[in-house]
Amino acid sequence: NAGVTQTPKFQVLKTGQSMTLQCAQDMNHNSMYWYRQDPGMGLRLIYYSASEGTTDKGEVPNGYNVSRLNKREFSLRLESAAPSQTSVYFCASSDPRAGNSPLHFGNGTRLTVT
Amino acid sequence: AQSVAQPEDQVNVAEGNPLTVKCTYSVSGNPYLFWYVQYPNRGLQFLLKYITGDNLVKGSYGFEAEFNKSQTSFHLKKPSALVSDSALYFCAVRDMGAYNTDKLIFGTGTRLQVFP
Repeated sequence: NAGVTQTPKFQVLKTGQSMTLQCAQDMNHNSMYWYRQDPGMGLRLIYYSASEGTTDKGEVPNGYNVSRLNKREFSLRLESAAPSQTSVYFCASSDPRAGNSPLHFGNGTRLTVT
Repeated sequence: AQSVAQPEDQVNVAEGNPLTVKCTYSVSGNPYLFWYVQYPNRGLQFLLKYITGDNLVKGSYGFEAEFNKSQTSFHLKKPSALVSDSALYFCAVRDMGAYNTDKLIFGTGTRLQVFP
């Protein structure tokens, strides 16, 4: 089972460049999430999508946009990258219908902005 | 506001010894608590959760966690540590303000190092 797939695995950007991080899940989950992981700060939620057609801001949404393209795919876009966005980005999915179900994570995208 | 705290950045333990990774929580109402593990260059993997019921929760890879309401704690434990348990461990609490999602608030993580 593929689970949650993220692309690319690594990316280096120059300040001001844009890019889109892709995420897809094959578990028929309703909810999807984007987190960033920084040393000493744990994981912080950027945006989430409770269900297809809806998106909401998380704790640190500034500088990002998201698109829930369909039930399977949830992309994260950086319009004008900044060095502060250097981080490891994780996509996750879950099925809230199951009640307090765990999040399933992808293996992450390591982004460096110079 | 809901939150979890992991007071130790790193825990060192010898192989075969018991291990404890600490977590305390701050929520209004009943907490829904989780533990995840992260191996190098991988995403987080679910270990166990406490929703209600028995205060001792058993999970994957021989891990268990004890929910203590009076101390607002949810410490992760294992009776006998393995070198392969060395990883980054995260405690998390469900954000009860988020309708119809499983949105989690994570702690800052504790690195567990098990020495041979």
